[in-house]
Amino acid sequence: EDQVTQSPEALRLQEGESSSLNCSYTVSGLRGLFWYRQDPGKGPEFLFTLYSAGEEKEKERLKATLTKKESFLHITAPKPEDSATYLCAVPAGDNYGQNFVFGPGTRLSVLP
Amino acid sequence: SQTIHQWPATLVQPVGSPLSLECTVEGTSNPNLYWYRQAAGRGLQLLFYSVGIGQISSEVPQNLSASRPQDRQFILSSKKLLLSDSGFYLCAWSYGPNQPQHFGDGTRLSIL
Repeated sequence: EDQVTQSPEALRLQEGESSSLNCSYTVSGLRGLFWYRQDPGKGPEFLFTLYSAGEEKEKERLKATLTKKESFLHITAPKPEDSATYLCAVPAGDNYGQNFVFGPGTRLSVLP
Repeated sequence: SQTIHQWPATLVQPVGSPLSLECTVEGTSNPNLYWYRQAAGRGLQLLFYSVGIGQISSEVPQNLSASRPQDRQFILSSKKLLLSDSGFYLCAWSYGPNQPQHFGDGTRLSIL
């Protein structure tokens, strides 16, 4: 069964304190790994897609990396506005990539 | 640019009442459309997806149904709501399988 897990469940950082979030997946034939940011009461906002091991993507203070079994979202010198829940997802093995399997998310709090 | 609209933002309904949630997409043609449910503290669960007008695929057997009467309109319905239908319902669109899915801001549904 395709699965996505994320750790930690919650993370509190001081402003400027860099850290990483982990997304581990088990899926037959990876067809992309997707990172999203979700603010309370809102829908997820797409951040990155990674398609192959070794690939990296950056956006402002965020950098996503991918290996064969996991992805990391590195947050460099975070600011309070980076506080959100970060979700990762992979297309499931069936339904030809329509069914995304989402992880439970990491809830990030950045304190001023 | 593409935009996605969902309404209403919040809804309180009694058990046994009907439901109709609507989602529309602007700025693209023939999108793939999706309905997800996000339960508190859990990941997103795909309910339905559609690759074209009148084409609906159901992922989870339940008392909900979906319809796509127009290219960029997706409707989630129920004839009789259950307490277990409470949750945060999200509509999303994509260009196709294995492509990023872009979400609306959701409907918070509470069943009393």
